[in-house]
Formats: sequence, structure tokens, C-alpha cells
Amino acid sequence: DIQMTQSPSSLSASVGDRVTITCRASQGIGNYLAWYQQKPGKVPKLLIYTASILQSGVPSRFSGSGSGTDFTLTISSLQPEDVAVYYCQKYNLAPWTFGQGTKVEIK
Amino acid sequence: QVQLVQSGAEVKKPGASVKVSCMASGYTFSNYYIQWVRHAPGQGLEWMGIINPSGGGTSYAQKFQGRVTITRETSTNTVYMEVNSLTSEDTAVYFCARVYCDADCNPDGHWGQGTLVTVSS
Repeated sequence: DIQMTQSPSSLSASVGDRVTITCRASQGIGNYLAWYQQKPGKVPKLLIYTASILQSGVPSRFSGSGSGTDFTLTISSLQPEDVAVYYCQKYNLAPWTFGQGTKVEIK
Repeated sequence: QVQLVQSGAEVKKPGASVKVSCMASGYTFSNYYIQWVRHAPGQGLEWMGIINPSGGGTSYAQKFQGRVTITRETSTNTVYMEVNSLTSEDTAVYFCARVYCDADCNPDGHWGQGTLVTVSS
């Protein structure tokens, strides 16, 4: 099975900072990658699909890029409400594996 | 509006089985796949499997193969996910989520509210 590895596992940044999270696939997955945000005790929220398409209603400070094996989620200006755990998920073929998650905190 | 409504919280003993339901409304049931994801305490999201409600075809994570069964009932627009031989490691919140598939598949952001399954003696 293809493994999904996120980095870093956690980060702390100031409000207004640019934040970048990386997701690497152990084999190429085309652009079949989604990004989710999960706040404690809440349902995961889809942010990005097909690697770079912003889900309707998601703030434009979120963006995704990449294809093949290397992908990036960027928050252009970190806001207090962005404190959460972020996950990537690949879905080219089953199993639709998630990355291990990246915890984002405010400094 | 699109809704995925899951069954209520369950408490089970080790070795028992649990069956969680996900009732869909507000769209054509057969046109969207349903995936199941779980979130154990202190852990990340874990993909369990997926079903095509149109034909009933399924695919599972290898970890759950043989222990998890996903089925659907088209007359009630409901998908079920059953886990057998429960252990404390299965204590988690279980989610269903909709996936749109035509030539390709894409998650579309609609999730159930989650079902807490607690396994305890």
C-alpha cells in the first residue's frame, strides 16, 4: 500500500504568518489528494480536493499544490480559528490512506 | 439539503460486534459512494473502507479485511458498517462521508455527525 507522510507533525506560528504543510506519497498518486481540517471534537472539514481545488465556502487563504508524490497545503495568513489538526488523504486507488496529521497552534 | 445521519453511541464488551448506520437524504442515494473513517482517542484519522451503493461493491483497508463489513439498504437509503471481534483498540468515533464518482472519484465534503463506539469490559 501507498504510505502518506506529513511534515511537520506539529507547528506553532504567529497570527498572520504563512504556514506550509507537506504531504508525501510513497508512490505517485497523480493529483488525487484531499486536505482536511479537524478541530477537537468536530467532524473533519474538506478544504481542498484534486490537490488544488478549493472546496466551496473555504477561505481563500487556504491553497493546495503538487502532483505525483509531493503536495503542499498553505495557509497564507494564519488566523486564530485555523488552530486544528490537518490531514491529507490520497484517493487514487483503495486504500484511501490518510497522513498522520499536522497539529497547528498559535504562538 | 444533503444529510448523512448516523446512529447513536454504542457501548460494547470486548469480543462483541457493533453495527453503525448512516442514513442519507437530500440526494440520489445510488449516485454517491460512502466511505467510512474512524478517529480513535489521541490518534489520527483512519480510513476503513468504501461502498458503491449502486451495485454494493466494496473495498476495505487491509487492516480491517475480514473483520469489517460495509453494506447498504437501498430501500431506506442507508449504509451500514459492522465491526466484529471488538477490542479496546476499536474505541473511536466512526464517521461516514460521501464521495462523488463518475470518471473519477472525489470527496465532496458531506460527513455524518459521527458515532462514538466505546469498547469496555
